Amino acid sequence: SQTIHQWPATLVQPVGSPLSLECTVEGTSNPNLYWYRQAAGRGLQLLFYSVGIGQISSEVPQNLSASRPQDRQFILSSKKLLLSDSGFYLCAWSVRPDTQYFGPGTRLTVL
Amino acid sequence: QKEVEQDPGPLSVPEGAIVSLNCTYSNSAFQYFMWYRQYSRKGPELLMYTYSSGNKEDGRFTAQVDKSSKYISLFIRDSQPSDSATYLCARGDDKIIFGKGTRLHILP
Repeated sequence: SQTIHQWPATLVQPVGSPLSLECTVEGTSNPNLYWYRQAAGRGLQLLFYSVGIGQISSEVPQNLSASRPQDRQFILSSKKLLLSDSGFYLCAWSVRPDTQYFGPGTRLTVL
Repeated sequence: QKEVEQDPGPLSVPEGAIVSLNCTYSNSAFQYFMWYRQYSRKGPELLMYTYSSGNKEDGRFTAQVDKSSKYISLFIRDSQPSDSATYLCARGDDKIIFGKGTRLHILP
């Protein structure tokens, strides 16, 4: 069966510090991978998606970036965090258009 | 008009009642629809997905799509306190677009 992992589960970082969140998927090959941010009352905001190694599409301009160094690994990064980057970050995978599966999420607080 | 819209709630119902959660969508060409359940501080969990119109049932949950009115619904029978969560609807097709979610409270 397929599983998706995210770490860390929670993170508290000062403004201006770097960020690296990691997501890995097991039990499937060549999945589509997604990074979302969920802020209170604002729903799920798609940040990046990837259809293959090295292929990244950005949905919104921001100081975040994503990379996919391996087929089942997706990384979200920032060189300098802003207060507005606080939120709940979710990684997801899919292999068909009618289903998408989410990881447990990382709660990021920027102080 | 947003692609997928749902009332944020909260919706409070007594235990054992039938719950009806609804979304509207903007484009009649959409074919794939999903319902997710999200507990507090957890990732969303796929509950059900449907293709085109009609009903789909899974245990206490029934998903319904009405293409003529561009309306999708999730019914929960014999609701339990453990059903208290935020429910997100979504449409698939070329990309997945989520509604903002409806918070549901089942009162014991």
